[in-house]
Amino acid sequence: DGGITQSPKYLFRKEGQNVTLSCEQNLNHDAMYWYRQDPGQGLRLIYYSQIVNDFQKGDIAEGYSVSREKKESFPLTVTSAQKNPTAFYLCASSTGTPMNTEAFFGQGTRLTVV
Amino acid sequence: GEDVEQSLFLSVREGDSSVINCTYTDSSSTYLYWYKQEPGAGLQLLTYIFSNMDMKQDQRLTVLLNKKDKHLSLRIADTQTGDSAIYFCAESIFDYKLSFGAGTTVTVRA
Repeated sequence: DGGITQSPKYLFRKEGQNVTLSCEQNLNHDAMYWYRQDPGQGLRLIYYSQIVNDFQKGDIAEGYSVSREKKESFPLTVTSAQKNPTAFYLCASSTGTPMNTEAFFGQGTRLTVV
Repeated sequence: GEDVEQSLFLSVREGDSSVINCTYTDSSSTYLYWYKQEPGAGLQLLTYIFSNMDMKQDQRLTVLLNKKDKHLSLRIADTQTGDSAIYFCAESIFDYKLSFGAGTTVTVRA
């Protein structure tokens, strides 16, 4: 069954702690993305990666970090520098070609800072 | 989301047609998409249209694109309770990223 898997579904973090969200895909997609969703604001791009060992900042990268050591995996770390990390985080992947930018999404991780 | 705008809410009676509107600003958009999000879940692609097309129909879904006005709409015929969700309009440009609107929450009432 091909797809994109995010874990965990719910995550609680104490203030001042770093936390890592997992995203794995078995679709053989080159491109992977992390979005943040807040009520009434749609999806905002945090980071994206078009190929292994390379990634680019999106619109709201401050306080986040990523790595892309394997094609299948694109973990996101929410650092203590992120001022307002409570949100719904969505990971997506696509073939990354100009003729097909259809993105497939995971089920999301809801992060709550307590 | 600043480049793509949608109204935030739409209420429709079951069996009626729903029309969700979207405007975008980048005239170099290549593809325009409609995604559906059910509560607590990720986004699911409903349909898309290439920027050189005016219309695309897919079963109950009709997409209309007015490139001159940079206006995109999604019509859902015979709206059902299962169509209650948030609908996102998105555009892609040459750098392979998707830019999303804020989403339209559609509520279907009996």
